[in-house]
Amino acid sequence: GAVVSQHPSWVICKSGTSVKIECRSLDFQATTMFWYRQFPKQSLMLMATSNEGSKATYEQGVEKDKFLINHASLTLSTLTVTSAHPEDSSFYICSAPSSGRPASYEQYFGPGTRLTVT
Amino acid sequence: SQKIEQNSEALNIQEGKTATLTCNYTNYSPAYLQWYRQDPGRGPVFLLLIRENEKEKRKERLKVTFDTTLKQSLFHITASQPADSATYLCALVGAKFYFGSGTKLNVKP
Repeated sequence: GAVVSQHPSWVICKSGTSVKIECRSLDFQATTMFWYRQFPKQSLMLMATSNEGSKATYEQGVEKDKFLINHASLTLSTLTVTSAHPEDSSFYICSAPSSGRPASYEQYFGPGTRLTVT
Repeated sequence: SQKIEQNSEALNIQEGKTATLTCNYTNYSPAYLQWYRQDPGRGPVFLLLIRENEKEKRKERLKVTFDTTLKQSLFHITASQPADSATYLCALVGAKFYFGSGTKLNVKP
């Protein structure tokens, strides 16, 4: 099956610094990728839709200047958490629909990145 | 806005029994409904997809039903095994994905 990787798997940073998280589709191309965050025992909350070659689409309530998304190629999307604060500590997960399939088909999820801001 | 409800309490069952998980939703008419499995500290893994015009879908020991009138989906695991222990998420799929908070299943040997 399709594989999506994320890097790093976990990161600890100091308050006020920026952190970049990478999401790669390893064996297929993804013109669209999705970024989620998940708090313990809670649902995945869609943050934004990353589109290759164009600007990301952010969900209501998500600060686009704080969560910068860049879809640099058909296999790579990055999420940068700028000026991180402790409340940004969470589990960040990306996903992509399999190549050639519409977004309504199954999503292939990355393993997630645990961000802790101290 | 759409609301998705999954039983927040863990479901504890004995190995070999059938596990049934429920997903109820309101204020939405999804074209598809999907079920995912999520293990601790990992991303979700796709299990099954069912379309709005389908009543039931099966895959090995898994069965999903979709009742658009009741706005409910049931997810069954037959002959459950301890390895089935995980959190199971339902997702409503239209223009976007909306996930439930998941139900944790514990299968005891």
